[in-house]
Amino acid sequence: NAGVTQTPKFQVLKTGQSMTLQCAQDMNHEYMSWYRQDPGMGLRLIHYSVGAGITDQGEVPNGYNVSRSTTEDFPLRLLSAAPSQTSVYFCASSYYSGGNQPQHFGDGTRLSIL
Amino acid sequence: GDSVTQMEGPVTLSEEAFLTINCTYTATGYPSLFWYVQYPGEGLQLLLKATKADDKGSNKGFEATYRKETTSFHLEKGSVQVSDSAVYFCALSTLNEKLTFGTGTRLTIIP
Repeated sequence: NAGVTQTPKFQVLKTGQSMTLQCAQDMNHEYMSWYRQDPGMGLRLIHYSVGAGITDQGEVPNGYNVSRSTTEDFPLRLLSAAPSQTSVYFCASSYYSGGNQPQHFGDGTRLSIL
Repeated sequence: GDSVTQMEGPVTLSEEAFLTINCTYTATGYPSLFWYVQYPGEGLQLLLKATKADDKGSNKGFEATYRKETTSFHLEKGSVQVSDSAVYFCALSTLNEKLTFGTGTRLTIIP
């Protein structure tokens, strides 16, 4: 019963490098999303998807790209890493239910940009 | 837009003390309300939820009541334990599934 799996757990990048954060869920959830967590700011929505082939921007999308080719996977791409993207990233998933179902979170990826 | 304001931390209490963490919200329509908990080094876990006015969510001794008239969803527990030490997030969700979070409250319980 894996739930939401994120890889890697930790990553250090240099400014300008690119990378992909992986997220997979095994609960057949339609809705998936990415958040970043910064001290004193709670979690902020980066991108989300309501199903395979459908993605949209959240509150802080700049510098990030997503795609959803399968129901299970929702990778987050950093195109050219910047120190401001140092953060903890969480992937979440849920049934698409009109907002009354809880979202299931992965354990996070801690990313440092030097 | 939607927003959640929650009690600033950190909060430090002695074991068996009474806990209240305040949460108020602003939203269009009728949101669902959630409390999530984050233990060190882990992701967020649902603690409790309420989906309509006057609903009470409860779990592990924690309770919160959806108060539409005061737009509040305060978290309470009658007797906290050391194992309750964590960061607590109040959040709301509207029809589009997007979660809006408060800034989080770090709770430390001392024996």
